[in-house]
Amino acid sequence: GAGVSQSPRYKVAKRGQDVALRCDPISGHVSLFWYQQALGQGPEFLTYFQNEAQLDKSGLPSDRFFAERPEGSVSTLKIQRTQQEDSAVYLCASSVNRGGEQYFGPGTRLTVT
Amino acid sequence: EDQVTQSPEALRLQEGESSSLNCSYTVSGLRGLFWYRQDPGKGPEFLFTLYSAGEEKEKERLKATLTKKESFLHITAPKPEDSATYLCAADDFNKFYFGSGTKLNVKP
Repeated sequence: GAGVSQSPRYKVAKRGQDVALRCDPISGHVSLFWYQQALGQGPEFLTYFQNEAQLDKSGLPSDRFFAERPEGSVSTLKIQRTQQEDSAVYLCASSVNRGGEQYFGPGTRLTVT
Repeated sequence: EDQVTQSPEALRLQEGESSSLNCSYTVSGLRGLFWYRQDPGKGPEFLFTLYSAGEEKEKERLKATLTKKESFLHITAPKPEDSATYLCAADDFNKFYFGSGTKLNVKP
């Protein structure tokens, strides 16, 4: 009964470096979401996948952010040329279908120095 | 613009002192209203989904209710282990909009 897992749990990057954050959703969950959570705030939507199709990427803050889910299971969020304002917790969530409750992973805390 | 507002931002209660948390939403069409609990350093944990005005759901000391403009999370006789941040989210068929949360601290 594994839940959603994310790796790494913590990442420190120097400004300008590229980072890749991984999400392993619950097996069989069709929908996968990425969120960004700043300290003391609620999660903010970044992007949504249904199987391997990225149906909504309207929340990605810039073209430095890129997400993929090539086989409809594991997803990777990539941030190129990281900036200090990218420092946040990145949460991944999966659900059985689009309208169902989302189950969250523990998040990856990204710190850009 | 669609948005979700939670109040209060922080709430301190004595053990056993019941209270309510508020979630106001302005979305053009509500598919569902979700409540989550988030502990420090962890991802949000699902509590309830409400779909229509008048609906109520209960789990242990928590009860969630929904009207056309807001949802309440009622906490009855809270215990210290109920201390956490409680988040609500509104799904308008396009996106999930989260509030900033209510940080609850229950003192023994």
